Amino acid sequence: GAVVSQHPSRVICKSGTSVKIECRSLDFQATTMFWYRQFPKQSLMLMATSNEGSKATYEQGVEKDKFLINHASLTLSTLTVTSAHPEDSSFYICSALSMTGDEQFFGPGTRLTVL
Amino acid sequence: DAKTTQPTSMDCAEGRAANLPCNHSTISGNEYVYWYRQIHSQGPQYIIHGLKNNETNEMASLIITEDRKSSTLILPHATLRDTAVYYCIVRVDYGQNFVFGPGTRLSVLP
Repeated sequence: GAVVSQHPSRVICKSGTSVKIECRSLDFQATTMFWYRQFPKQSLMLMATSNEGSKATYEQGVEKDKFLINHASLTLSTLTVTSAHPEDSSFYICSALSMTGDEQFFGPGTRLTVL
Repeated sequence: DAKTTQPTSMDCAEGRAANLPCNHSTISGNEYVYWYRQIHSQGPQYIIHGLKNNETNEMASLIITEDRKSSTLILPHATLRDTAVYYCIVRVDYGQNFVFGPGTRLSVLP
């Protein structure tokens, strides 16, 4: 299947700093990417839908000014956690929708720890 | 909210078939059933999907009841590496995100 990468795989930062997470579709173009968050022992929760060339659509309860999403090309979407706090510590997972729209390929995830 | 219900956890002996059930009684005619799994601290991995016919690939088989209100994922010969959380998801085929429920935590025991 198609490959989606995330960078970094793990990041530790101080409270108040901003962290950028990259999501890349390596062998296909993705006009739509999704960002999920997963807390320990819980399921994945959709944060936002990222569409190439347009503004992201955020789920209810997700602050768009805190979680900045940029989808500037057909192979790259970035999630920036601004002014991170310990409660933002989580496993962040992106996925990319296939061009046919019938499959979703997930990245390996990024574990964010905010001290 | 997820449109599926699954048992919280299951055990299976190594080498035996693992049968994971999923109820989706409110499924619409144009909604597909997808199965993904997530091994600890990794992203979800696609397993299989289907609409109404049974499906088989190199990883698993998917059996969907005739009324489409439930399905079963079958791992024919479970190995220790199949220990994971298995998610059953229903969605319209094109363009939608997946809504993940809590899934079933499968433990394959030696």
